[in-house]
Amino acid sequence: KNQVEQSPQSLIILEGKNCTLQCNYTVSPFSNLRWYKQDTGRGPVSLTIMTFSENTKSNGRYTATLDADTKQSSLHITASQLSDSASYICVVSANNQGGKLIFGQGTELSVKP
Amino acid sequence: DTGVSQDPRHKITKRGQNVTFRCDPISEHNRLYWYRQTLGQGPEFLTYFQNEAQLEKSRLLSDRFSAERPKGSFSTLEIQRTEQGDSAMYLCASSSGQGFYEQYFGPGTRLTVT
Repeated sequence: KNQVEQSPQSLIILEGKNCTLQCNYTVSPFSNLRWYKQDTGRGPVSLTIMTFSENTKSNGRYTATLDADTKQSSLHITASQLSDSASYICVVSANNQGGKLIFGQGTELSVKP
Repeated sequence: DTGVSQDPRHKITKRGQNVTFRCDPISEHNRLYWYRQTLGQGPEFLTYFQNEAQLEKSRLLSDRFSAERPKGSFSTLEIQRTEQGDSAMYLCASSSGQGFYEQYFGPGTRLTVT
């Protein structure tokens, strides 16, 4: 069964600190992995997309890594800001699935002043 | 390009009533997806269209759910005889159908069934 699991479920950090979110997946055949940011009451917004051959990708203060051998990914947030408070969702797409996405349950990040 | 829009943003209905949601994708995006998201969970795939053709439906989409995209542009999702378990955020996304099928999400419709 295609699954995406994330940890931790929730995280509280102080403004300015760094944090790392984890994602494990069992999706086959693998096409690409994405990280989305979802603010409360809003739709998800894409942060990064990585294919099998990419093992790191950055978008500003967000850096995603991918280990396709162990089927793990991480999202590192540097110098966190209050506006980073959101749910971060790991999403995997399988080949030949018409772009259908398999979502993790998300990590709820809260950045405190 | 104003992004994906959904209407209404919030809907409160009584159990047993029918509801219909609308999604307007980014213009010229030929793929349109519907997802359902419950509190504390990631979105779950419901169905998707390529142009006006509905290519796949999840087993989550019971007989009470129906989706259409009659002219390959906007789409509607109807839920008949709503149940309390239908309370969720219903998200729509669209993509161009090229490359990584990058999906752009709308703001969602929050359904509350009382």
